Order: sequence, then structure tokens, then C-alpha cells
Amino acid sequence: AQSVTQPDIHITVSEGASLELRCNYSYGATPYLFWYVQSPGQGLQLLLKYFSGDTLVQGIKGFEAEFKRSQSSFNLRKPSVHWSDAAEYFCGSSNDYKLSFGAGTTVTVRA
Amino acid sequence: GAVVSQHPSWVICKSGTSVKIECRSLDFQATTMFWYRQFPKQSLMLMATSNEGSKATYEQGVEKDKFLINHASLTLSTLTVTSAHPEDSSFYICSARDSRTSKSHEQYFGPGTRLTVT
Repeated sequence: AQSVTQPDIHITVSEGASLELRCNYSYGATPYLFWYVQSPGQGLQLLLKYFSGDTLVQGIKGFEAEFKRSQSSFNLRKPSVHWSDAAEYFCGSSNDYKLSFGAGTTVTVRA
Repeated sequence: GAVVSQHPSWVICKSGTSVKIECRSLDFQATTMFWYRQFPKQSLMLMATSNEGSKATYEQGVEKDKFLINHASLTLSTLTVTSAHPEDSSFYICSARDSRTSKSHEQYFGPGTRLTVT
């Protein structure tokens, strides 16, 4: 069975600083990988996805992620964080069209 | 495009009553819809997969008689929480998949429904 691990439960970052959120997946074949963001009381918004091809994918809101097969990772990055980036971030993996999510990482942005 | 709506956005009901939550794909046809449950400060847990015109497939540990799912059309799936109890209070989120496109692994999420059972 596939599983997704987000090692960091909570990250605090200063506004303007860079951000990296870690995600590891466990699955034999190359999975379909996603990053979603959730604001309090809201649904999920897709930031970016990886299916195949270029391992560095660009998403919305200035986010990017890099797929590294050797490390089974799909880490999310943003060079300069804005206060509006404070939210919950979920990494997801799809197999057989079912999404499995990591536990999520809460991002707090301090002024 | 690819908008999914949910209704209601929040609902309060008394213990023992039933509540129906609707999930609609507004600008595409969804042969498959998914229902998730999310407790505060936790991740989303898949409850069931809803396929248009057939019975839903429930994940292990989810009571199918308590969480009734109907997917009668290509744009509508409903989740009915029967005989709700306070422990059913949660945030329920649906998602939809457009299997006709090459992006069939993508799921488009609704805004969620907050259920509070008193």
C-alpha cells in the first residue's frame, strides 16, 4: 500500500524567508504526486502536481516542487514567503485513482 | 474550470437525526467522486469512492449503513449521515474526478461541509 509521510508537523518561517516542506512517499512505481494547500475551514487547493517528465514542477503562488526518485521525495519550496502563505499543506500520492495524504504541515509566517 | 461545490457549507443537527450533504461538479462530468472526513488538526481520511450508477466502495472501518452515498448523476453525489451522533461531528470534503480527460488522476475538491451534532 502506498503511504505519504510529511516529517514536519509545524514550521514557522519569517516573511520573506524561504520555505521548504518535506514529503516522502513509499510506493514501488512512480506515483502521481500532489501538493495541496488548505486555509482554515476551507477545502483543498491544488498547488502543483507531478505525473512524469521534468522532475522540477512549477505551481501556483510561486511554489515549486522537485521529484527525486532516489530519495522517494517530493519536497515543496518557495523562495520568499508571504504572510498569506500561512496555512496547512498536504502532500498527496495517487494510485488506482485514490489519493493518500500525509499528515500535513502547518506553516506559520511571522512578521 | 473544474469547480466542485458542496451544500450546505455548515449544518447543525440534533443527535439521532439524519443529514444529507450534496457534492456537485459544476462544469464537468464526474464519473467518480470521493468523500473524505477531516477531524480538527488532522489530515483527510478517505471514507468512500462513489461511482456514478453503481454502489459506493467504502474504506475499511467506515460503516456503509451509517454513511449512505448516492451518485445518481454525473454531476451529483450525496452523503447522508444517518442517525447522527456527536462523534460524527467533523469536516466532510468531497472531490470529483473527470475520467474523460488525461488528467484523470487529478481530483477537484469541494469547499467542505462542517457538521456539528448536538
